Amino acid sequence: SAVISQKPSRDICQRGTSLTIQCQVDSQVTMMFWYRQQPGQSLTLIATANQGSEATYESGFVIDKFPISRPNLTFSTLTVSNMSPEDSSIYLCSVEGETGKVTEAFFGQGTRLTVV
Amino acid sequence: AQSVTQLDSQVPVFEEAPVELRCNYSSSVSVYLFWYVQYPNQGLQLLLKYLSGSTLVKGINGFEAEFNKSQTSFHLRKPSVHISDTAEYFCAVRIVAAGNKLTFGGGTRVLVKP
Repeated sequence: SAVISQKPSRDICQRGTSLTIQCQVDSQVTMMFWYRQQPGQSLTLIATANQGSEATYESGFVIDKFPISRPNLTFSTLTVSNMSPEDSSIYLCSVEGETGKVTEAFFGQGTRLTVV
Repeated sequence: AQSVTQLDSQVPVFEEAPVELRCNYSSSVSVYLFWYVQYPNQGLQLLLKYLSGSTLVKGINGFEAEFNKSQTSFHLRKPSVHISDTAEYFCAVRIVAAGNKLTFGGGTRVLVKP
């Protein structure tokens, strides 16, 4: 299993500002995933972050709005840029159990973001 | 592209009663199937998974699910719920040999009443 720590756990931000969310894993992992969970909705994958390469974004998400860093095998950040109230969501970091094997995904506790 | 449908957005149930949460997926290829639970203000925790083999899968906290390939379903059941089972439940699908992308259903909110 993997233990994932996310910071901050919640924040209230002014529109037009940016927030960087940190994700720390207790073991080295190849791929890290960032999800968005809008109020009352399911999880939507934002992007996949591999160490040493640019993140791969899903349809509807762009790097300018959600820049991601992946400096090493245990850490990643997601920035929500130029925020608007529509960005109010829970943002979750996730990793796979074992590289090359089909195991479950592990999730951080999430960052609850409110944009006012 | 695959999709996952959870047919019930909310399921109220009395304590000690059984509960079934329905999940259907659309995919013409083999899939891996998962059920996750999200307690209030927490991340997701795996309840159980189906990769291959027996179609009846047992998970944590007394939950089980049955994979039905012909009906493309993976319904979650518990014979007797507790107040502590109040949470959001998500069904998720991953296509075999198609990378690690998970597709989630819309979620089912279970409210256990005393």
